[in-house]
Amino acid sequence: EAQVTQNPRYLITVTGKKLTVTCSQNMNHEYMSWYRQDPGLGLRQIYYSMNVEVTDKGDVPEGYKVSRKEKRNFPLILESPSPNQTSLYFCASRISGGNSYEQYFGPGTRLTVT
Amino acid sequence: AQTVTQSQPEMSVQEAETVTLSCTYDTSESDYYLFWYKQPPSRQMILVIRQEAYKQQNATENRFSVNFQKAAKSFSLKISDSQLGDAAMYFCAYRSTYNTDKLIFGTGTRLQVFP
Repeated sequence: EAQVTQNPRYLITVTGKKLTVTCSQNMNHEYMSWYRQDPGLGLRQIYYSMNVEVTDKGDVPEGYKVSRKEKRNFPLILESPSPNQTSLYFCASRISGGNSYEQYFGPGTRLTVT
Repeated sequence: AQTVTQSQPEMSVQEAETVTLSCTYDTSESDYYLFWYKQPPSRQMILVIRQEAYKQQNATENRFSVNFQKAAKSFSLKISDSQLGDAAMYFCAYRSTYNTDKLIFGTGTRLQVFP
């Protein structure tokens, strides 16, 4: 089954404790993105990657890091989480080129930083 | 920079009735894509319908249709014969043909469906 998976689905952590949210897709997609969803703000892009070893900042990259060492994986790293990073996070992927413009979203990760 | 505005934080509709969700956007580009996503309580983001800006014909997917007014930069979603399963948060989104990965989302409209 074609899908984007994220782990963990729920995470409660404390300020300053490094964490990683994993994202994996099995569709051989070139494009991958991370979004955060906050009430009243919709979804905002954090980082994106157009292919292996190619990443770039989205609209709200502060406090986050990403890496793209393999095509299927795109982990989101919070090296020193803060309470303002409490949010719902989505990973998404898409094939490049042509009319393949649908983004496939993962199930979301609910992060709480206390 | 492009922006997407959903001015209705909440809407409600009775089962079997029709409801229209509003979305306006701002862009200086002439070619782009517009989307409506549904987010049910499971939080999964589900693509409902999409529209290419170069197409004059409004997109339709079963009970879902859009009213795309390019000059007015308006992209409303009409849900016909509403069902209880349509209750969800609905997001309007814009994607440029130049920056082909980023989706710019509105703030969402929560739709309630009453029996």
